[in-house]
Amino acid sequence: QKEVEQDPGPLSVPEGAIVSLNCTYSNSAFQYFMWYRQYSRKGPELLMYTYSSGNKEDGRFTAQVDKSSKYISLFIRDSQPSDSATYLCAMRYSGGSNYKLTFGKGTLLTVNP
Amino acid sequence: DGGITQSPKYLFRKEGQNVTLSCEQNLNHDAMYWYRQDPGQGLRLIYYSQIVNDFQKGDIAEGYSVSREKKESFPLTVTSAQKNPTAFYLCASSIGDRPYNEQFFGPGTRLTVL
Repeated sequence: QKEVEQDPGPLSVPEGAIVSLNCTYSNSAFQYFMWYRQYSRKGPELLMYTYSSGNKEDGRFTAQVDKSSKYISLFIRDSQPSDSATYLCAMRYSGGSNYKLTFGKGTLLTVNP
Repeated sequence: DGGITQSPKYLFRKEGQNVTLSCEQNLNHDAMYWYRQDPGQGLRLIYYSQIVNDFQKGDIAEGYSVSREKKESFPLTVTSAQKNPTAFYLCASSIGDRPYNEQFFGPGTRLTVL
């Protein structure tokens, strides 16, 4: 079982739709959870960052973490064509000397005008 | 204008050749990282460095080498021992090595072996 599982899609939605992106993980030691957005042929950029369980909202984006289910989500409201990109979830342990980000495979999202 | 630069953007290599990918940051970050991205594979850590003159292997270090002689520079050499080097290579940096320190990514170098 991979540490982080993410449905690669592709996911295609009409403009204005609510998008739900998800990742599951197997290691309960993960404490920091991130969502990155990556446009084609570019480096990833950090969208959302949460610690432990709960919700975090930033504009049209909401990140949710459910540690009991080992499940994280990113919601995009009022999706725009400019949101078309690959979305990567990433996770990190809280202690020790492990600085590694463990990434999901990414979900390719297309928002159609 | 602070950020991370990677060069070249595209790189072609013949089999059996070593190539070096450049990564420079002017963010005054202590920690730097190299990741490899393959289609459908996500990002995998090759090497990371917490401080100048120190670096550690990541999950897929075989066939790669790095150096960290200056704080702002972390070049990656892809050696002929790397069996499948064609990939998109991403450099990242963070202010420190704590889990809550954000990693900022460069624009990437696409390496193709001919």
